[in-house]
Amino acid sequence: LAKTTQPISMDSYEGQEVNITCSHNNIATNDYITWYQQFPSQGPRFIIQGYKTKVTNEVASLFIPADRKSSTLSLPRVSLSDTAVYYCLVGERGDMRFGAGTRLTVKP
Amino acid sequence: GAVVSQHPSRVICKSGTSVKIECRSLDFQATTMFWYRQFPKKSLMLMATSNEGSKATYEQGVEKDKFLINHASLTLSTLTVTSAHPEDSSFYICSAERGPNQPQHFGDGTRLSIL
Repeated sequence: LAKTTQPISMDSYEGQEVNITCSHNNIATNDYITWYQQFPSQGPRFIIQGYKTKVTNEVASLFIPADRKSSTLSLPRVSLSDTAVYYCLVGERGDMRFGAGTRLTVKP
Repeated sequence: GAVVSQHPSRVICKSGTSVKIECRSLDFQATTMFWYRQFPKKSLMLMATSNEGSKATYEQGVEKDKFLINHASLTLSTLTVTSAHPEDSSFYICSAERGPNQPQHFGDGTRLSIL
């Protein structure tokens, strides 16, 4: 079961690009990498999922190097409403555990 | 996108009461649903994995007689906290999985407060 390590917290300013890196040295061949966002008193919200290289959707990009031992979530031009906890999960179907997450604070 | 509905959103009740929380996948069938517990400022802790038509798989340290899980259909799983006590007060969150290697979709959680 791949364990993930993320920075505990990050600060940014409105309009900046934010990159949050997650380490998962023991990732297995069948594991996918999934990122979630959570606001206080709400359930996590799916952001993006990938297996290798780069994935992009309307809200974020996910960069995964060839060795897949880490991944980077990139949020372009953050706003105050992006202040939340971001979780990186690694695993296969039905076998995902939440790590401590990264608390992102976006300042005006 | 996929929608998971969790009900109720908040429960306040007396010690000794049993509380049922429902988790529904509204626009897809979920053979597997998950139940999590979250304490303030902490991460989500997986309690159990619920499979339609079979018994739930509980994580180590989670009392199966305390937290009863039923997954009677492909769109509904329920968690019943039996004889709840103040230490059971927490934020309970469910999620549902659409299919293999598909991301989980989460409900908005249930805030349980036992007096």
